Amino acid sequence: NAGVTQTPKFRILKIGQSMTLQCAQDMNHNYMYWYRQDPGMGLKLIYYSVGAGITDKGEVPNGYNVSRSTTEDFPLRLELAAPSQTSVYFCASTAGVHTEAFFGQGTRLTVV
Amino acid sequence: DQQVKQNSPSLSVQEGRISILNCDYTNSMFDYFLWYKKYPAEGPTFLISISSIKDKNEDGRFTVFLNKSAKHLSLHIVPSQPGDSAVYFCAAGGSNYKLTFGKGTLLTVNP
Repeated sequence: NAGVTQTPKFRILKIGQSMTLQCAQDMNHNYMYWYRQDPGMGLKLIYYSVGAGITDKGEVPNGYNVSRSTTEDFPLRLELAAPSQTSVYFCASTAGVHTEAFFGQGTRLTVV
Repeated sequence: DQQVKQNSPSLSVQEGRISILNCDYTNSMFDYFLWYKKYPAEGPTFLISISSIKDKNEDGRFTVFLNKSAKHLSLHIVPSQPGDSAVYFCAAGGSNYKLTFGKGTLLTVNP
């Protein structure tokens, strides 16, 4: 059972480039989330989804887009990368509102 | 405005002693609280949780206490082991499907 899988693990982008961070879960969870963690900070919610076709903004959505065409996949799109988007990105999924969230191993992104 | 606060960035304890990690929250709509543990270069992993209808939940060496009137929760680890050394995040959730995390506390357990 793979749980939550994120790809890639590491990436260096140049300013202005775009990329998609992939996230897939095999637990049939309805709820999926994207967080970013900056050094010395907690996890800040970027976007979340409560089911296929439904997404909503979190605390820090600017510069990002998401889609949820299937229950399993929740990709995060960065358009026009900026140095402020240098961070570690975590995808998570959960079965319900009051249940534990399972996290992927993270994607370390550097924008130069 | 931080809704979940972990005011101690770090904590160091001796092996075998008790570790107490603290967390404060401001949003009275939170009704579910979780602790996550994170090792370097890994994603957070769930440790223990507590619902707002309880004031204590225990799982082996880990106990979480909730004081709703003070909007405070704490995680007790007894006895502490070197393998417990990690960053611990407090998280809170309500009915809006979102978890809000604190900044984390780095726990170091010295042999």
